[in-house]
Amino acid sequence: QVQLVESGGGVVQPGRSLRLSCAASGFTFIKYDMHWVRQAPGKGLEWVAVISQDGRKTYYADSVKGRFAISRDDSKDTVYLQVNSLRAEDTAVYHCAKEGADISAPYHWGLGTLVTVSS
Amino acid sequence: SSALTQDPAVSVALGQTVSITCQGDLLRTYYASWYQQKPGQAPVIVFYGQTYRPSGIPVRFSGSTSGNTASLTITGAQAEDEADYYCNSRDTSGNRWVFGGGTKLTVL
Repeated sequence: QVQLVESGGGVVQPGRSLRLSCAASGFTFIKYDMHWVRQAPGKGLEWVAVISQDGRKTYYADSVKGRFAISRDDSKDTVYLQVNSLRAEDTAVYHCAKEGADISAPYHWGLGTLVTVSS
Repeated sequence: SSALTQDPAVSVALGQTVSITCQGDLLRTYYASWYQQKPGQAPVIVFYGQTYRPSGIPVRFSGSTSGNTASLTITGAQAEDEADYYCNSRDTSGNRWVFGGGTKLTVL
């Protein structure tokens, strides 16, 4: 079955960077777009970024554009989110998600990795 | 403010029917997807497109769209349906996505 396991979160000071990873298994990774979605503590879901199945197209929420970068390594079935210039408002659980077979929206989700931005 | 608007909270008596709505002009162009999220868990997609219910989702979950409003209906709500529900659709660019603010469903 589809498994998505995020890692790389932690406590980081404002202005610093992290690289989040999402290891995928249980499906043919190269066939699917991959998303990142975040959820601040006690708040709702916020879509962050998506990368196309061939890695050539990436799109970002306005709130992270220019600071975050999504990428994928098909040899490792892994999608990444490089998060730079972190702010307190970036504190959230970051989920990766796979698009569905018949819908491009996030379909299967991982449990997420927590990023806490604090001095 | 979000491009997709949901009521923050809705309640329903056990066994009764409830509709959770999502409003936004995006829905005149794109279908909504609906997600259920229970505390400490990842979201689960429960309905999407015009008619699609993922495998394993009870048939009591259904969706519809009229104009700029999408609805998720639970017919005969069960205690285990108590959760947060989010709608989602593409944004005006067609390449990015947006979530509604979420609705907390309480089953009384």
